[in-house]
Formats: sequence, structure tokens, C-alpha cells
Amino acid sequence: ETGVTQTPRHLVMGMTNKKSLKCEQHLGHNAMYWYKQSAKKPLELMFVYNFKEQTENNSVPSRFSPECPNSSHLFLHLHTLQPEDSALYLCASSHPTRSYEQYFGPGTRLTVT
Amino acid sequence: SQQGEEDPQALSIQEGENATMNCSYKTSINNLQWYRQNSGRGLVHLILIRSNEREKHSGRLRVTLDTSKKSSSLLITASRAADTASYFCAASLYGNKLVFGAGTILRVKS
Repeated sequence: ETGVTQTPRHLVMGMTNKKSLKCEQHLGHNAMYWYKQSAKKPLELMFVYNFKEQTENNSVPSRFSPECPNSSHLFLHLHTLQPEDSALYLCASSHPTRSYEQYFGPGTRLTVT
Repeated sequence: SQQGEEDPQALSIQEGENATMNCSYKTSINNLQWYRQNSGRGLVHLILIRSNEREKHSGRLRVTLDTSKKSSSLLITASRAADTASYFCAASLYGNKLVFGAGTILRVKS
């Protein structure tokens, strides 16, 4: 266990649904990240939050909407997704003074039907 | 384009043998990190080597970094079946942004 939890672990949704992914860490980290991992592709950074402020949006479509209400929680709100959005979505966090080492959650396996 | 690119894409070895994975990157980095991922799970940080370091050890892991060639290697000695996983290098650019490679799938046969 890395100390980063993600719920749900598996999610199946239709293209017209709205759902949210949740990430939580109690490691005292100040930075949180969303990554997308598709089969046979490198991990893609989606969003970065530092001290609850979004500092990176890697040209992610607006059907993905992140929210960071505090340094311990991160959400990814999903709406009108496409089948190609099916992937493993990973959350990570990093320590204030060792910001380069990231701690990952187990991921949410998302299937869009 | 991605920073880290690993080779080989897949590696199959016998338990007890050494496994070597290579990574190349394109631009200047602050450090380079290696992560491991078991099937369908999150990534686990293994080791970090700074841009001014050439070699680093951690248990059965040995990492080298050649900034002139923009390349790194990860050596796992005396491999075990439990080492079976995907291994990723990640280039640390500005701030806390990491750019990952596509990974090497390692299978250790017992």
C-alpha cells in the first residue's frame, strides 16, 4: 500500500452517464496528479494540482473535469465520454520536500460502453 | 513526443538471472526515476538518480545514468519470480512533472 487510495476500482459507464473518480491521500503531500494509462501507450499526464491550484492541464478534453477541494482529495468528474476514454486512471501525490518522487494509487479501471 | 523510451519492450528470463532494461530520453532532466507496476495496479517508485549522479544502488537494483547519451539503465540482479512486472522510466523535467516511457514487461520464470 502506498497510502494513496482510489475509488471505485472498476467503473463501467455509458457515453451519456456522469460519474466521478475519487482519490485520497493522507501522506501530507501537497501535489496531486491524474494520469491516464491506455494499453500499449506510455502513461499520459492529465492534470497537476499544487496546493489545490491546477498548475498543469495537458490538453485534456473538457469531458474530463478535475476538482481538488483540499490537499488530500482529488476528483475527476466524467461526462459524455467516448469508448476511447476506456483506460486505467491513476492518481498520484508527492511530498512537499521530495516533489519528484510520486506515490500512486491502485487506479480505476474505466470502461466506456 | 514522449521523453522516456524503454527497451526492450519485453524481457523473459529465468529466476536467478540478471535483467537489464534501458531508457532513453530527449531533453535535459532534473533526475530520472524508475517505477514498477504489477498487472493492473498502480506504479511503485523504485529508485531516483539525479542528473549529477552516474550510478546508484538500492538492494538488488542498480541504475546508471549517462547524460551525454541521454540514457539510463536499470539492472535487477538475481531476479525472482516476484520481480515479474512492468518497469517504467520517468524523466523529471521542470517542477514536479514526470514524463513516462512505454515500459518494459519483465517476466521471470521459476
